Amino acid sequence: EPEVTQTPSHQVTQMGQEVILRCVPISNHLYFYWYRQILGQKVEFLVSFYNNEISEKSEIFDDQFSVERPDGSNFTLKIRSTKLEDSAMYFCASSEALWGGDYGYTFGSGTRLTVV
Amino acid sequence: RKEVEQDPGPFNVPEGATVAFNCTYSNSASQSFFWYRQDCRKEPKLLMSVYSSGNEDGRFTAQLNRASQYISLLIRDSKLSDSATYLCVVKVVRTGGFKTIFGAGTRLFVKA
Repeated sequence: EPEVTQTPSHQVTQMGQEVILRCVPISNHLYFYWYRQILGQKVEFLVSFYNNEISEKSEIFDDQFSVERPDGSNFTLKIRSTKLEDSAMYFCASSEALWGGDYGYTFGSGTRLTVV
Repeated sequence: RKEVEQDPGPFNVPEGATVAFNCTYSNSASQSFFWYRQDCRKEPKLLMSVYSSGNEDGRFTAQLNRASQYISLLIRDSKLSDSATYLCVVKVVRTGGFKTIFGAGTRLFVKA
């Protein structure tokens, strides 16, 4: 079964540092997303990406965040100047249709970001 | 009112029991509905889409009630492996497109 792959599985960083979270979406999917989930809380939308540009972003996705598709396979989330409150599980997802269409998303296994 | 609302639970049921979860949504223009399952510290995984006529997948039955704006998930003959958090997910129409909103989840514990 096709998978969305995320690396690293766990990242510990010092406050103020920059981190890059990596994702390899399913190869025939066109739409890519980043979500985050703070421990014990709900899954929150960050950004959607299509055709090499951001299609929508939430109020969480401010200037501290950026996304990129540097080549044909990787999809990255960069967080600059990390804060303690950025500690969360970050999930990448991809889908064949926008917002999952009628078939939903496939999520990666997540990167647990811990800011110390 | 929250856009997608679920009873957080937890629901504690014995093996073999039937359990049902409801989820309400506030936007009447919501288009698509899903149930995801999330195990502790794992990614959400699509359990099933929810169709207008209701649908079944093995022990799982999903229903949609547009008039009352809720969806439900029924699990029959619960197994220990059904223990997880069940997320209600709704795709809503927004200006310029859509948005997928996750509920906070309902926790289920199935005990031997």
